[in-house]
Amino acid sequence: EPEVTQTPSHQVTQMGQEVILRCVPISNHLYFYWYRQILGQKVEFLVSFYNNEISEKSEIFDDQFSVERPDGSNFTLKIRSTKLEDSAMYFCASGEGRGTQYFGPGTRLLVL
Amino acid sequence: KQEVTQIPAALSVPEGENLVLNCSFTDSAIYNLQWFRQDPGKGLTSLLLIQSSQREQTSGRLNASLDKSSGRSTLYIAASQPGDSATYLCAVRQGLGNFNKFYFGSGTKLNVKP
Repeated sequence: EPEVTQTPSHQVTQMGQEVILRCVPISNHLYFYWYRQILGQKVEFLVSFYNNEISEKSEIFDDQFSVERPDGSNFTLKIRSTKLEDSAMYFCASGEGRGTQYFGPGTRLLVL
Repeated sequence: KQEVTQIPAALSVPEGENLVLNCSFTDSAIYNLQWFRQDPGKGLTSLLLIQSSQREQTSGRLNASLDKSSGRSTLYIAASQPGDSATYLCAVRQGLGNFNKFYFGSGTKLNVKP
């Protein structure tokens, strides 16, 4: 069964460094999403992406964040200058339409 | 702003029991509602999706209902099993066309005892 994959599974970085989180959505899906979950807190929506552009973004998704679909398969989330409070689990999801979303296993980001 | 609440926060039941998890939302103008399970340290697995025009959806031992006007959804699990132990999350989708936002509850942590 097709699934969303994410790399790396864990990333440790120093405050102020740039990180890129990678996702490979399910191949025939057109809608892509990033979420984050700070330890012990709710899953929070970051951004949705459709037709090679951002459809919607939350208040969290400020200028430090960007998304890109550099080729036909990858979908990336870049954090330009990481802060301590960016430490969280980051989930990628994809969907065929505006129905069911399928989540990846997540990347655990730790900013020191 | 939409607020999604799940009650109870945690639930422990003996194997075989039927149970109900609750989800409420403050803004009834939703596009759909989705129930997920999350295992420790893992991603989210979609269980059921209910469109705003639907009243319920069923998959195996799971049944989800939606009462949009009152801002409530329930997830019914029949004949619970230890393998059902996980955190159950509900999420609502709001917006028009391709412009959507998503709001999650904080989850109900379920423990099914053998």
